[in-house]
Amino acid sequence: EPEVTQTPSHQVTQMGQEVILRCVPISNHLYFYWYRQILGQKVEFLVSFYNNEISEKSEIFDDQFSVERPDGSNFTLKIRSTKLEDSAMYFCASSENEFSYEQYFGPGTRLTVT
Amino acid sequence: RKEVEQDPGPFNVPEGATVAFNCTYSNSASQSFFWYRQDCRKEPKLLMSVYSSGNEDGRFTAQLNRASQYISLLIRDSKLSDSATYLCVVIHNYGGSQGNLIFGKGTKLSVKP
Repeated sequence: EPEVTQTPSHQVTQMGQEVILRCVPISNHLYFYWYRQILGQKVEFLVSFYNNEISEKSEIFDDQFSVERPDGSNFTLKIRSTKLEDSAMYFCASSENEFSYEQYFGPGTRLTVT
Repeated sequence: RKEVEQDPGPFNVPEGATVAFNCTYSNSASQSFFWYRQDCRKEPKLLMSVYSSGNEDGRFTAQLNRASQYISLLIRDSKLSDSATYLCVVIHNYGGSQGNLIFGKGTKLSVKP
């Protein structure tokens, strides 16, 4: 069964450093998303991406965040200058097309900012 | 007011029990509804979509009441493997936008032998 994959599974970084989280969505899916979950809290939407551009973003997704689809398979989330409060699980998700709202999640990257 | 509200639980039930979870959502424009399950420190996994007419998948039954803005999930004959946090999720579908998922905090279920 096709799956969303994410790397790394755990990233530790120092405050102020840049991090790039990587995702490979399900191959025939057209819509891609990033969500985050701070420990003990609910899953929160960050950004959605379709046709090589951002289609929607939340208030959390400020100028420190960016997304990119550098090639036909990868989808990345970059945090330019990490803060302590960026520590969270970051989940990538994808959905098939404009008729399917079901989103499938990758296993997540645990980001720890020290 | 929170967009999606759930009883956090925990619900502690014996194997074989029937358990029901409820969820309310605040935005009447919400158009798509789901239940996801999340195991500890894992990703949310889609359990089922929720349709207006109600739908069933094996031991799981989901219901939607648009007038009351209320969603439910019923699990029959609980198994130990059902122990997880159950997330109520809605989407506001705007025009041609896919819409992003809006999650509740989840209801924790623990099934005991």
